[in-house]
Amino acid sequence: GESVGLHLPTLSVQEGDNSIINCAYSNSASDYFIWYKQESGKGPQFIIDIRSNMDKRQGQRVTVLLNKTVKHLSLQIAATQPGDSAVYFCADRSWGSNYKLTFGKGTLLTVNP
Amino acid sequence: GAVVSQHPSRVICKSGTSVKIECRSLDFQATTMFWYRQFPKQSLMLMATSNEGSKATYEQGVEKDKFLINHASLTLSTLTVTSAHPEDSSFYICSARPTGGRTSYEQYFGPGTRLTVT
Repeated sequence: GESVGLHLPTLSVQEGDNSIINCAYSNSASDYFIWYKQESGKGPQFIIDIRSNMDKRQGQRVTVLLNKTVKHLSLQIAATQPGDSAVYFCADRSWGSNYKLTFGKGTLLTVNP
Repeated sequence: GAVVSQHPSRVICKSGTSVKIECRSLDFQATTMFWYRQFPKQSLMLMATSNEGSKATYEQGVEKDKFLINHASLTLSTLTVTSAHPEDSSFYICSARPTGGRTSYEQYFGPGTRLTVT
């Protein structure tokens, strides 16, 4: 079946730097994308979402970019902080899927002080 | 608002026994809830979709007789792992979709339940 995948399994950055986490998806019917943050032993925490009719969406310190032409999604975190250290997952939903989400493999972000 | 709880947070059981995990939406009603399983250093894999008042829909490869789901009310779904074996040890996470939510995209996750089968 279709799935959402990630290019990089791990990312290590210095505190204060900007982080970019990438995600490739394969389902051309995907119409909604979400980024989640998961800390060890906890459930996923919503970060930001974007619909397929948008290219960019900004939140507090985070920006999601969507390139439908190449089926690519990225999460940019500005001024990364130690508290940002976690695993980040992208997920997608396709129209008519009964709201089911397909999760990517995840990227472990480590922020060094 | 939009808090989802799970109980227990951790459970250890002996092989061959059954374990029930509860998922509750605390401040909203959820017609639909989802159950995921996550193995160490892996992603979340959807196991089943739980619908209030009807049978759950299981994903391909998930044994419905082994993973019993009951969505008896608009705020509670339960997952029972029957005849548990060590390979069932995993992190089980539920999510809930608010009934009549602001958009059709909202889904809130619980904190997860760590199951260890010895």
